Amino acid sequence: DAGVIQSPRHEVTEMGQEVTLRCKPISGHNSLFWYRQTMMRGLELLIYFNNNVPIDDSGMPEDRFSAKMPNASFSTLKIQPSEPRDSAVYFCASSLRQARNQPQHFGDGTRLSIL
Amino acid sequence: KNEVEQSPQNLTAQEGEFITINCSYSVGISALHWLQQHPGGGIVSLFMLSSGKKKHGRLIATINIQEKHSSLHITASHPRDSAVYICAGDNDMRFGAGTRLTVKP
Repeated sequence: DAGVIQSPRHEVTEMGQEVTLRCKPISGHNSLFWYRQTMMRGLELLIYFNNNVPIDDSGMPEDRFSAKMPNASFSTLKIQPSEPRDSAVYFCASSLRQARNQPQHFGDGTRLSIL
Repeated sequence: KNEVEQSPQNLTAQEGEFITINCSYSVGISALHWLQQHPGGGIVSLFMLSSGKKKHGRLIATINIQEKHSSLHITASHPRDSAVYICAGDNDMRFGAGTRLTVKP
């Protein structure tokens, strides 16, 4: 079975550019999570969706960040304009049922570097 | 103060030793996740538990929801267990800082 698929694996871009990270959850999973990991702050939940609807976006750092889930098999996390402090590894995860207390399956992450 | 505290931050063990990693949290949760992050960066969900104990191979996780404490145990540790182990409460998926485990042959 295919796991959670994230693209790109690595992204290097200059500050001010728009960055789009993509995630394909495991087929049949109802919940999708976006996380950010940095050395300073560790893992942080940015936003999560149930049945394609954003439920909790309180972790989204600021208006420069936006996330969408147009259908059950695809989600994007967009940063516009990007800043050097956005450099981090971004993980997407999905779980089978509509609750945070369900096991999550993680993608391999996107390592983002903003110069 | 982080709402999820892990101890120890770093742990070095000899192969075969019994390992215990602790996780304490200050807010109410209904379940707790234990994750393993490999040196390459990939994250694997080990356990999600809300009460009692769960076992998977050499790994055992216990939780006491009322005392707000969970432990992850590794029996007969092996160098391939070397990783960062992270706990997270399910209420807002707030993560501990992680415990870096190194098992030496």
